[in-house]
Amino acid sequence: DAGVIQSPRHEVTEMGQEVTLRCKPISGHDYLFWYRQTMMRGLELLIYFNNNVPIDDSGMPEDRFSAKMPNASFSTLKIQPSEPRDSAVYFCASSPPGPPYEQYFGPGTRLTVT
Amino acid sequence: GDSVTQMEGPVTLSEEAFLTINCTYTATGYPSLFWYVQYPGEGLQLLLKATKADDKGSNKGFEATYRKETTSFHLEKGSVQVSDSAVYFCALSFSGYSTLTFGKGTMLLVSP
Repeated sequence: DAGVIQSPRHEVTEMGQEVTLRCKPISGHDYLFWYRQTMMRGLELLIYFNNNVPIDDSGMPEDRFSAKMPNASFSTLKIQPSEPRDSAVYFCASSPPGPPYEQYFGPGTRLTVT
Repeated sequence: GDSVTQMEGPVTLSEEAFLTINCTYTATGYPSLFWYVQYPGEGLQLLLKATKADDKGSNKGFEATYRKETTSFHLEKGSVQVSDSAVYFCALSFSGYSTLTFGKGTMLLVSP
């Protein structure tokens, strides 16, 4: 299996621009998670989906952040407008149905907003 | 609420030394327990898991035993290598809840 695929791997953008991060989960997995990792705040869960439906978005920091999952093999995380404090590594993870709910992470997208 | 506590790092060892990274948890019921490893510039990788008391998870020379009586899941390796240098995360999940609760991570630095 190819594992969780994320693109781009690196993104540098200017403040105010729109940023779209992409994720392809492992085939057969029905949960998808978006995380953000920074030195200051560690690993934070932003939002997760089950069978393409958003279940909990309480970790999304602001209305500038939005996430979609139009089908079982694709999800996006969008930031509009971006700000320097959004600079972080964003991870997508997926997990198969049923316990114990182990998650498989993608390689991450390193976002730098200048 | 549920929580995971890991020893603070960095843990600094010489090659071939014995490794222990402590992990304890607070939770009602009987969670599943995991160790993840994150190498520099990469995502988290599932290292091992245990789903019930007294289970031992093992992988790549690492081991951890689910101890219900001490609510612990300590990670051990008999002889570390430079290539084991990474950040290690302990995590738990509950049946019926699909999210993981992570510890803050422990950095391991192994010198030749």
